[in-house]
Amino acid sequence: SQELEQSPQSLIVQEGKNLTINCTSSKTLYGLYWYKQKYGEGLIFLMMLQKGGEEKSHEKITAKLDEKKQQSSLHITASQPSHAGIYLCGADSTQGGSEKLVFGKGTKLTVNP
Amino acid sequence: NAGVMQNPRHLVRRRGQEARLRCSPMKGHSHVYWYRQLPEEGLKFMVYLQKENIIDESGMPKERFSAEFPKEGPSILRIQQVVRGDSAAYFCASSPTGDALDTFGSGTRLTVV
Repeated sequence: SQELEQSPQSLIVQEGKNLTINCTSSKTLYGLYWYKQKYGEGLIFLMMLQKGGEEKSHEKITAKLDEKKQQSSLHITASQPSHAGIYLCGADSTQGGSEKLVFGKGTKLTVNP
Repeated sequence: NAGVMQNPRHLVRRRGQEARLRCSPMKGHSHVYWYRQLPEEGLKFMVYLQKENIIDESGMPKERFSAEFPKEGPSILRIQQVVRGDSAAYFCASSPTGDALDTFGSGTRLTVV
């Protein structure tokens, strides 16, 4: 079965610093989602990547998909306290059809003012 | 346009009781997914439903758990004779087509005492 490993597990940065979170899959990636979760709350969709080499950006967050490495990275530029939370990657474990996602265990981000 | 609505937000049950978790998808969405987040673990797929049909229940425990998505009304995840190990956050996501998971509810946090 497919597994996703996220690194680092936790990250503490000073406000204004850049950071990168990685998500590595044990199998071929057919689609990769990034979400943010605040403690005790639901998942906020950030972006979805489908094609190898695809890169998407939203405000100060950029995600890339490296199909050959079976890996995705999430980069935050000039971090702010509002970026704090748990970042989850989810991979589509089937080709086509349903979105039966496999998730990583998350990366906990703390941004100190 | 309200998002995915889950209720209750918090649910406490004694061992042996039944738990009923509700998920109202976004308007126009006919595909519903249920995921479970156990303490210290990642999100795990449970079941995928389309109106009146169970499409994939491969993540559901074989006993005590059932799900439905009737023609009218919310999707229901039902857990009979709950045990302490059922304590978790249960999330629902909906989609108009089944192939993009960008809308999750805030979850139901079940505590079994």
